[in-house]
Amino acid sequence: EVQLVETGGSLVQPGKSLKLTCATSGFTFSNAWMHWVRQSPEKQLEWVAQIKAKSNNYATYYAESVKGRFTISRDDSKSSVYLQMNSLKEEDTAIYYCTRNNYFDYWGQGVMVTVSS
Amino acid sequence: DVVLTQTPSILSATIGQSVSISCRSSQSLLDSDGNTYLYWFLQRPGQSPQRLIYLVSNLGSGVPNRFSGSGSGTDFTLKISGVEAEDLGVYYCMQATHAPWTFGGGTKLELK
Repeated sequence: EVQLVETGGSLVQPGKSLKLTCATSGFTFSNAWMHWVRQSPEKQLEWVAQIKAKSNNYATYYAESVKGRFTISRDDSKSSVYLQMNSLKEEDTAIYYCTRNNYFDYWGQGVMVTVSS
Repeated sequence: DVVLTQTPSILSATIGQSVSISCRSSQSLLDSDGNTYLYWFLQRPGQSPQRLIYLVSNLGSGVPNRFSGSGSGTDFTLKISGVEAEDLGVYYCMQATHAPWTFGGGTKLELK
């Protein structure tokens, strides 16, 4: 059974950092391209970042709204993908989901990140 | 960025009624590889999005066949042939042809 479990969400102050983890199981993670998608309090979904597999040199892509502040990475030995979020802004407040690139077939349950002073 | 416009924003239906949701794109979603990367998701209250349809018209695994997708280019439709109670929630279309991937604003399906 495919599972994606996000952890690491929290309440943080603007300007601070936070790292999210998406632990996966039930599929060959090393071959999978992975994404982070977030959902604002207004329920709008926004794609955040993508990381490809080793065979694609772990290429990464970002939404303009997070470029230079967020970093997506992966550890194939742990079947996990990460999202390092720096210089957080109040508009980064959202539920963060990880999902895999197999036509976006599986999503995690999401983790809440609140950026507020 | 590609803008996806969903209509209606709210859809009221009775159980057993057939309904349709429209998703219109600001540019063609036909990729150079011949595929059209248009998806439909359902998000039930308190849950994460669940994929229903991929590549315009392909039914996801385990998705009831009362759901169907159609369209091409810039105009796409999700149809539910006989709404059931478990179908209530918010429906989103998404495109993955043109980076960055973008989502429609959502259509809330509620009971009349």
